[in-house]
This record gives sequence, C-alpha cells and structure tokens, in this order.
Amino acid sequence: GQQLNQSPQSMFIQEGEDVSMNCTSSSIFNTWLWYKQDPGEGPVLLIALYKAGELTSNGRLTAQFGITRKDSFLNISASIPSDVGIYFCAGCRRNRDDKIIFGKGTRLHILP
Amino acid sequence: DGGITQSPKYLFRKEGQNVTLSCEQNLNHDAMYWYRQDPGQGLRLIYYSQIVNDFQKGDIAEGYSVSREKKESFPLTVTSAQKNPTAFYLCASSEGLAGAFSYEQYFGPGTRLTVT
Repeated sequence: GQQLNQSPQSMFIQEGEDVSMNCTSSSIFNTWLWYKQDPGEGPVLLIALYKAGELTSNGRLTAQFGITRKDSFLNISASIPSDVGIYFCAGCRRNRDDKIIFGKGTRLHILP
Repeated sequence: DGGITQSPKYLFRKEGQNVTLSCEQNLNHDAMYWYRQDPGQGLRLIYYSQIVNDFQKGDIAEGYSVSREKKESFPLTVTSAQKNPTAFYLCASSEGLAGAFSYEQYFGPGTRLTVT
C-alpha cells in the first residue's frame, strides 16, 4: 500500500533556530496536509497544499508541495517553546474513494 | 463555536468489556473518521463514514464497530475481541466528497482508553 516517509523522526533544537522537515511518498499525491499535535490533544491542521510547486505560509510556518508531487516540506522559522509537539504530514490523491495517508510524525523538542 | 467533541477524555475499562467512545461534530460535515494512535506511531484508520447510514472498514477494523445514524454522530465501540485496545482514539471529520476541500480533516481532542 501507499506509504509516507516522514523525516526526521525527532529533532532537538535551540529556541530561535529554524526547523525543516519533509515527507516523501512512493506514489503521487494531489493534496498534502501538515498537522501539529500537542501532547494529549488531537492534531490541528496547519497548512493545506493542492498544487504542485505551491508554497504556502501560515505565520512562521511555510510548506511546499514538491514539483514531483511525491514530496512536501515544512519549515518553521525562529522556533519558540510553543512549537514543541509532533508534526504530521498527510497526503491524498483525491480520487473518489481515496483516504488520507498519514506519516508517522516528526517530534520537535526545543532545548532551553 | 463549531467543532468536534469527544467524550470522555479518559476512559478505563476491565478486559472483556465492550466500551463505546463518543464523537459529535457540528461542522455540518458529511464524512467522519476514527483513528487509533499508539506511542511513537502515526494515525491508523479504523472506520470511516462518508454519509449517514453508511460506513467502511479502515486498515485496522477488527475488534471495532461503528454506527452512523445521524450526520452529527459517529460512535465507536471497542469490543472484547480487540486484542490490544489500550490506545489514544481520535475522531475526525471532513466536508466529504462534495466539498471543494473535502480532504481537509479536522480532529477532536481524543479519548485515551486504558483497558486492564
């Protein structure tokens, strides 16, 4: 079946640093979604991407839909303590019976 | 405020008992989903429903059952047949196939089920 490889699995950074994470797929997707999950809570949708090459920002977050349609990237600039959590990518082909496929997440830790 | 509610937040059950997790949404979404999350794992799809009175098995449906009698509600029953039921359960909804952004799923706060 379809799989998403999300990397890195975890990151330890200093407050103020920029963060980059990515997701790659074995097949083409027509939609990429990025979510953030705080401990003990449900994931919250950060950014949705619908077009190859699309670059979309949400505050300090920027996500890109890869040209090959098999990958997506999320960048966080000038990290702050509340950025801690798990970031999930999700992809979908948008066919009638298609479901969203989730990556396993990137756990972001911020060192004091 | 529109959103998805799940109750209770924490649930404890003895092995061998069935337990039903509640999920309600007031977003007027057609599609609803149940996921299971284990530590260090991603989200695994249990069941989903694209319309009232219809639902399909996801990747790990064994030991679970659902119903969709109302658009707003999609309860999940964890049966005694589920071999490893302790997990964090997440409910989500999306506009459905008719919506322009039908693939954006919105999640509830989750229910942590512990079975001993």
